[in-house]
Amino acid sequence: GNSVTQMEGPVTLSEEAFLTINCTYTATGYPSLFWYVQYPGEGLQLLLKATKADDKGSNKGFEATYRKETTSFHLEKGSVQVSDSAVYFCALDTSGAGSYQLTFGKGTKLSVIP
Amino acid sequence: GAGVSQSPSNKVTEKGKDVELRCDPISGHTALYWYRQRLGQGLEFLIYFQGNSAPDKSGLPSDRFSAERTGESVSTLTIQRTQQEDSAVYLCASSLGRGGGQPQHFGDGTRLSIL
Repeated sequence: GNSVTQMEGPVTLSEEAFLTINCTYTATGYPSLFWYVQYPGEGLQLLLKATKADDKGSNKGFEATYRKETTSFHLEKGSVQVSDSAVYFCALDTSGAGSYQLTFGKGTKLSVIP
Repeated sequence: GAGVSQSPSNKVTEKGKDVELRCDPISGHTALYWYRQRLGQGLEFLIYFQGNSAPDKSGLPSDRFSAERTGESVSTLTIQRTQQEDSAVYLCASSLGRGGGQPQHFGDGTRLSIL
């Protein structure tokens, strides 16, 4: 079946530090990959996505590259800010293979301190 | 509004009572999803509606859970005879359709607490 594995948190970084949140997946077919972010007290928001191998999704300084050979979609940001403190979820969508709900990782909580 | 709207935002009820949660999707979105998020966990898929097709109920955890949607509009998720393990945030999402990497747009959720 489909699954997503994220690095366990919480992750605590100082402002302007480099961020990597690892995400690997298991899926049939050719999934689309997403990163969602949940800020404190808010709902999930789409952060970025990639729909095929070697695509790079980017938004708000965050990037993730769809690596089919390593089945990974790691999230990176060169310089984090306090406002990036949130829970980050990696997700996959295998609609092309007949299923259509997102499969989520358990989430990684990021805290950025000044 | 422009986003997915859920109500109530918080619900506290006694064990054994029935609850009804509401979701207003983004106008024009044919696909609607319900998820459950337990404390410290990822999202569990519950049910999916696509237009007028029969819904995919494969994620509903028991027959106490049911959901309805009229056409491409509002959906309600009903939990009968609530149990303490039903305490969670229930999230609704909508999208333009399925496939092709269509992103899902989420509401802020309903936080359900069963006493």
